[in-house]
Amino acid sequence: QKEVEQDPGPLSVPEGAIVSLNCTYSNSAFQYFMWYRQYSRKGPELLMYTYSSGNKEDGRFTAQVDKSSKYISLFIRDSQPSDSATYLCAMSPPAAGNKLTFGGGTRVLVKP
Amino acid sequence: EAGVTQFPSHSVIEKGQTVTLRCDPISGHDNLYWYRRVMGKEIKFLLHFVKESKQDESGMPNNRFLAERTGGTYSTLKVQPAELEDSGVYFCASSQGHTSGSYEQYFGPGTRLTVT
Repeated sequence: QKEVEQDPGPLSVPEGAIVSLNCTYSNSAFQYFMWYRQYSRKGPELLMYTYSSGNKEDGRFTAQVDKSSKYISLFIRDSQPSDSATYLCAMSPPAAGNKLTFGGGTRVLVKP
Repeated sequence: EAGVTQFPSHSVIEKGQTVTLRCDPISGHDNLYWYRRVMGKEIKFLLHFVKESKQDESGMPNNRFLAERTGGTYSTLKVQPAELEDSGVYFCASSQGHTSGSYEQYFGPGTRLTVT
């Protein structure tokens, strides 16, 4: 069983809709949670970085962490065609500078 | 501010040959990481430098892989001799670390390695 599970998609939504993404994990030691966006043939771009449980909002993006359920989510409001990309969740234990464990990524397609 | 850069962007080599990948982290970032994504799999950790010291190399697949970070600036990852299963995209990432308390990792564009 993988440490981090993420539905590969593709997830297709109309422009303006809310995109809802999630990951589940098995390692209760994970304390830092990140969401990256990756366009084709590019490197992962950091979108959100959260610590422990709770919500964090940044513009159109909202990240949620539920440690009791080992479940994290990313919501993208007012989605745009430029949001079409692969979204990767990543997480790490609390030790400073620790290595990231990634999900496989969800491909999102926002149709105009 | 320049981001993480990697060179080359793409390398095609034959089995048994040697390849050296280079990563230049964001200036001032003490932490440097190497990751790899092989076809159909998730991105996986290879190793972590703090300045010039190897902090964690638990993800290095075998002794055909050698990473260095001389002077705590750029890093190289050498694969010698390359095998078919080494094909994939090699990513480098960096973070500031203790000086700022910021551990967000910023990734480079990756080097796509194809071993034939």
